[in-house]
Amino acid sequence: DAGITQSPRHKVTETGTPVTLRCHQTENHRYMYWYRQDPGHGLRLIHYSYGVKDTDKGEVSDGYSVSRSKTEDFLLTLESATSSQTSVYFCAITPGGGRTDTQYFGPGTRLTVL
Amino acid sequence: GQNIDQPTEMTATEGAIVQINCTYQTSGFNGLFWYQQHAGEAPTFLSYNVLDGLEEKGRFSSFLSRSKGYSYLLLKELQMKDSASYLCAVRDNTGGFKTIFGAGTRLFVKA
Repeated sequence: DAGITQSPRHKVTETGTPVTLRCHQTENHRYMYWYRQDPGHGLRLIHYSYGVKDTDKGEVSDGYSVSRSKTEDFLLTLESATSSQTSVYFCAITPGGGRTDTQYFGPGTRLTVL
Repeated sequence: GQNIDQPTEMTATEGAIVQINCTYQTSGFNGLFWYQQHAGEAPTFLSYNVLDGLEEKGRFSSFLSRSKGYSYLLLKELQMKDSASYLCAVRDNTGGFKTIFGAGTRLFVKA
């Protein structure tokens, strides 16, 4: 257990509304990631963070922003949700100093945009 | 570019052996991972290969050939609980370290 929680676990919202998903970790890991998972596409990286206030874009960052004001929290915001953002969102961490850079995932948030 | 291919679905019988293949193309290979993901749950780490050869861990083994861009995950003595998706992922160091995931192979274990 890498001590990762995500909230909310399920959310239904309407097109055009803002949505914020939260990832919380308890073990002071430096690296945190947001992925989305869709059938046929596997996990795709949205944004990642390598420290407080240090973030960078992944391969599918359009329409998403992130913030990390504390080590333990990594927030993903959809400024104006669209139906194409209906997906399962996973947060992940990489324990620092590990040779393999294995990623450990939170339980996921299922987001439906109507 | 980067590309990972693995079969979409496989079916095997309880007690048998199954091999899930993964081929990849990447310019900055830095390791290959296998993850298991049960329906409705998060992926969990199974194995890691960075050098050619076989890594064995209990009923699961993973093989890598870097020259062929090829890996497989071998599951022995299949159990019903092994029914899950298996994700092949490659770590690429081009333009910063990133992990690229395949779409996954759904394995069905039947009695």
